[in-house]
Amino acid sequence: DTEVTQTPKHLVMGMTNKKSLKCEQHMGHRAMYWYKQKAKKPPELMFVYSYEKLSINESVPSRFSPECPNSSLLNLHLHALQPEDSALYLCASSRLSARGTEAFFGQGTRLTVV
Amino acid sequence: KNQVEQSPQSLIILEGKNCTLQCNYTVSPFSNLRWYKQDTGRGPVSLTIMTFSENTKSNGRYTATLDADTKQSSLHITASQLSDSASYICVVSSGLDSNYQLIWGAGTKLIIKP
Repeated sequence: DTEVTQTPKHLVMGMTNKKSLKCEQHMGHRAMYWYKQKAKKPPELMFVYSYEKLSINESVPSRFSPECPNSSLLNLHLHALQPEDSALYLCASSRLSARGTEAFFGQGTRLTVV
Repeated sequence: KNQVEQSPQSLIILEGKNCTLQCNYTVSPFSNLRWYKQDTGRGPVSLTIMTFSENTKSNGRYTATLDADTKQSSLHITASQLSDSASYICVVSSGLDSNYQLIWGAGTKLIIKP
């Protein structure tokens, strides 16, 4: 199983809503990532979890709140988002080793903030 | 400044033809170089990953080359199919934590016409 599964595939939310994005992998990877991708741009790293602990936060606004309940699951809690937060949100996972490790990406959640 | 540049920006070819995409990078330190295929609105899918000592790597009809001296890579697609229409992104990993510091190219948008 080399899949990273993200749900939902599409999400429309108002600026006062609270919602969560979910990501799941069963490859035994101990590193998990959240990326944000705007149209025609490369993905931008948001958060990195290593061994279920937050290791990197790329200065992401607090309206995005990540959570890693266990080694297979990664959540991104959303609250009071702005229309400019509309984007494709990608989850990825990888083994934790120095070189030559692949990152496997999920299919993404297309988020629209209205 | 760490940079990855890809050419051409876009390419249209007829089904069944071959094509080659280029990637030049100035990234230091260098850990590995990956090629991803990304369909519009979907997550990137890994095609190849190469470390410093690898010159060529194949994945079906995709063959990637790496010249670490000139800091150039290419992705050759043989006998193109309509399903090859996508963006192809060159990504260079920097540093020891190879998935934390990814420098993304802007991608080449490939369109295969019947």
